[in-house]
Amino acid sequence: KAGVTQTPRYLIKTRGQQVTLSCSPISGHRSVSWYQQTPGQGLQFLFEYFSETQRNKGNFPGRFSGRQFSNSRSEMNVSTLELGDSALYLCASSIGTAAETQYFGPGTRLLVL
Amino acid sequence: AQSVTQLDSQVPVFEEAPVELRCNYSSSVSVYLFWYVQYPNQGLQLLLKYLSGSTLVKGINGFEAEFNKSQTSFHLRKPSVHISDTAEYFCAVANYGGSQGNLIFGKGTKLSVKP
Repeated sequence: KAGVTQTPRYLIKTRGQQVTLSCSPISGHRSVSWYQQTPGQGLQFLFEYFSETQRNKGNFPGRFSGRQFSNSRSEMNVSTLELGDSALYLCASSIGTAAETQYFGPGTRLLVL
Repeated sequence: AQSVTQLDSQVPVFEEAPVELRCNYSSSVSVYLFWYVQYPNQGLQLLLKYLSGSTLVKGINGFEAEFNKSQTSFHLRKPSVHISDTAEYFCAVANYGGSQGNLIFGKGTKLSVKP
């Protein structure tokens, strides 16, 4: 079974731009969660989508948004990029309950200049 | 609110020595507990998880962890480490019976195995 894939793997943007990251979950998984990983703050939960609906949301500004499509693929968008948005963005997929293992993709490394 | 504390940010150890990575959590509700490993330039991989039942949990690559409810701890151990165990390890919690997502992670412990 193919794992979680994320595109692109690396991205360089400038302040004020917007960016869209993509995540394709493992086949059959309906939950996709997004996390931001930085050296200072560690791993922080952004949001989770389940069956095209946002089910949980972390404490991030409204510039961070996402969506999920009917095939469970998910996209994350960050508008008006700031230097502090430079991070590794990880997505994880699972069947959908808290007890289930989340399978992580390799991440998209975003650098904002 | 839940929180996870990993007491050591870095742990250096020699090959074939035992290692313990410490994790304490705080939560007002029952939780599930996880240990993930992250190798350089990769995503996270599950090592093991505690859902219920036996407090000693065995995972992949020879790792095990013990859940201690009274001390709210979930320490990770390996009796003999290899160079290939060099990586960053994350402890995480999730709400018992809750929906997926919203894993709360600790800050991570970098394990460095020296020959």
